[in-house]
Amino acid sequence: EAGVAQSPRYKIIEKRQSVAFWCNPISGHATLYWYQQILGQGPKLLIQFQNNGVVDDSQLPKDRFSAERLKGVDSTLKIQPAKLEDSAVYLCASSLGTSTGEQFFGPGTRLTVL
Amino acid sequence: GESVGLHLPTLSVQEGDNSIINCAYSNSASDYFIWYKQESGKGPQFIIDIRSNMDKRQGQRVTVLLNKTVKHLSLQIAATQPGDSAVYFCAESYSGNTPLVFGKGTRLSVIA
Repeated sequence: EAGVAQSPRYKIIEKRQSVAFWCNPISGHATLYWYQQILGQGPKLLIQFQNNGVVDDSQLPKDRFSAERLKGVDSTLKIQPAKLEDSAVYLCASSLGTSTGEQFFGPGTRLTVL
Repeated sequence: GESVGLHLPTLSVQEGDNSIINCAYSNSASDYFIWYKQESGKGPQFIIDIRSNMDKRQGQRVTVLLNKTVKHLSLQIAATQPGDSAVYFCAESYSGNTPLVFGKGTRLSVIA
């Protein structure tokens, strides 16, 4: 079974630029998550989708971050404009059901904002 | 590969010894807990979970212990191997329907 795919793996941008990350979850997984992992910390949930609807986006900085999951499969996370403090690894995860349980994580995208 | 974290608490163990990684969770209402393993350059990988109606659960070479009285969770790894070297995170949730909240992580270093 293929795992969660993410691209790009690495991205370096200057502050105030925009950037987008892509995630392809495991086939058949209804729930998709985006996490931000700052160096030295555990992942922090940004947004959770169930199919193509948003379940929880309470920790998403909506003035600069946006995410969509059109057609309930792939998802993109965008940052516009980026700030220095956005430097982190952005992890995508998916799970079969809707209740919290085993989540399968992708390898992440490491973003460096200069 | 990428380092998943610097300045994390570190546990160094000899290959073949048992490891115990501890976690203090924050929310007394949390009733679902998961341990994840994160190797350098990779996303977290599920190891084992436990619900609050249990105080112990065993997997293959791993055991999770839950002490709700003091809000403490531990992960025991038997016969630690070099492949166990990674950062380990505990995560908590309430009723399995709220987002997982991850702890800060512990780096396990296995000495061959």
